[in-house]
Amino acid sequence: AQSVSQHNHHVILSEAASLELGCNYSYGGTVNLFWYVQYPGQHLQLLLKYFSGDPLVKGIKGFEAEFIKSKFSFNLRKPSVQWSDTAEYFCAVNAAGSARQLTFGSGTQLTVLP
Amino acid sequence: NAGVTQTPKFQVLKTGQSMTLQCAQDMNHNSMYWYRQDPGMGLRLIYYSASEGTTDKGEVPNGYNVSRLNKREFSLRLESAAPSQTSVYFCASSELWTEGETQYFGPGTRLLVL
Repeated sequence: AQSVSQHNHHVILSEAASLELGCNYSYGGTVNLFWYVQYPGQHLQLLLKYFSGDPLVKGIKGFEAEFIKSKFSFNLRKPSVQWSDTAEYFCAVNAAGSARQLTFGSGTQLTVLP
Repeated sequence: NAGVTQTPKFQVLKTGQSMTLQCAQDMNHNSMYWYRQDPGMGLRLIYYSASEGTTDKGEVPNGYNVSRLNKREFSLRLESAAPSQTSVYFCASSELWTEGETQYFGPGTRLLVL
């Protein structure tokens, strides 16, 4: 079974700082990878996803993530955060070809100080 | 187009009481899901319905039952609520039951069991 680790539970940044949130998964086969965001009081929304091809994936709101297969990682990045990026971020994975459900990480709370 | 809707938004129950959480989607999606979100644990799948007429257990099904009433609606029932079921419940849907399908989430139901 696959699992997802997000080691940063809470990240605090000032506006304009660069962001990198870590995501590591454990699964021996091919995977599909996702980042979801949950703004305060709102439901989860998809930021970006990786299925195949270019390992650098660009999502909405200036976010991007890089899939590094050798490191089993799919870290989320943004060059310059804004106060409105304050939210909880979840990494998720499902095993390619299995049609199984998404497995989510425990989430990283990002607080951006104005 | 409301997407995924859930009722109620909040609920307080006493131990042993029963209730049904309702979920509906208007995107003509085939697959629907119920998750619970607990602090520090991310989202965990309770039950899913790959298509109308089918349901299956997820990671944490104990204490819950589901009904796929029709293509639009997928309800979650707690027959005898326990304090351990205090959580935020999210319903989600996706177009197909295939790998990598984007899941669209509802706004959630906050449940407190006393």
